Amino acid sequence: GAGVSQSPSNKVTEKGKDVELRCDPISGHTALYWYRQRLGQGLEFLIYFQGNSAPDKSGLPSDRFSAERTGESVSTLTIQRTQQEDSAVYLCASSWALFIEQFFGPGTRLTVL
Amino acid sequence: EDQVTQSPEALRLQEGESSSLNCSYTVSGLRGLFWYRQDPGKGPEFLFTLYSAGEEKEKERLKATLTKKESFLHITAPKPEDSATYLCAVQAWEYGNKLVFGAGTILRVKS
Repeated sequence: GAGVSQSPSNKVTEKGKDVELRCDPISGHTALYWYRQRLGQGLEFLIYFQGNSAPDKSGLPSDRFSAERTGESVSTLTIQRTQQEDSAVYLCASSWALFIEQFFGPGTRLTVL
Repeated sequence: EDQVTQSPEALRLQEGESSSLNCSYTVSGLRGLFWYRQDPGKGPEFLFTLYSAGEEKEKERLKATLTKKESFLHITAPKPEDSATYLCAVQAWEYGNKLVFGAGTILRVKS
């Protein structure tokens, strides 16, 4: 595709439910990143993948958060037992190599009621 | 302690009134400094990458510069369509491959 795509664009869920957020990176980009943007705050790093491996998971807030990547393409971020503080925009980015510019998708806005 | 600080938090300009946004950083071992533009409800849009002090990049009305402690985004004769949040981010040896972002500067350009 022409750019990074994410789905769904919006997700409203009830506290305690599990959610899955999907990211399709730019074709050929080997590195994929997840960030979180809370209302009025800067972007926070969550995790990144090089190929299908995740060398850096240091930003995942708790063990309720997990992510996987398959086929060196699509990635899924899963949040189990969602809490209200998980409400944020979840952004995915990709790059064709390390230590260069990352290109972002439009984000998934998650609202936990 | 914030590693990336952007100022001002918000800036209002009249169309044609040039100004600069600041991004200061305290990381050691800078690998790259990145500027993004973010419109409401959208993901950040890449603008520039700067790798070493003294480097400059230009695109239309925007010019980014880098020193050892800070970067400036100069906006010359801005137009209303330049209104957005401008984000600065750094990559550093101590952080690995992740970007560490500042809080952003909200720019409003009035006609």
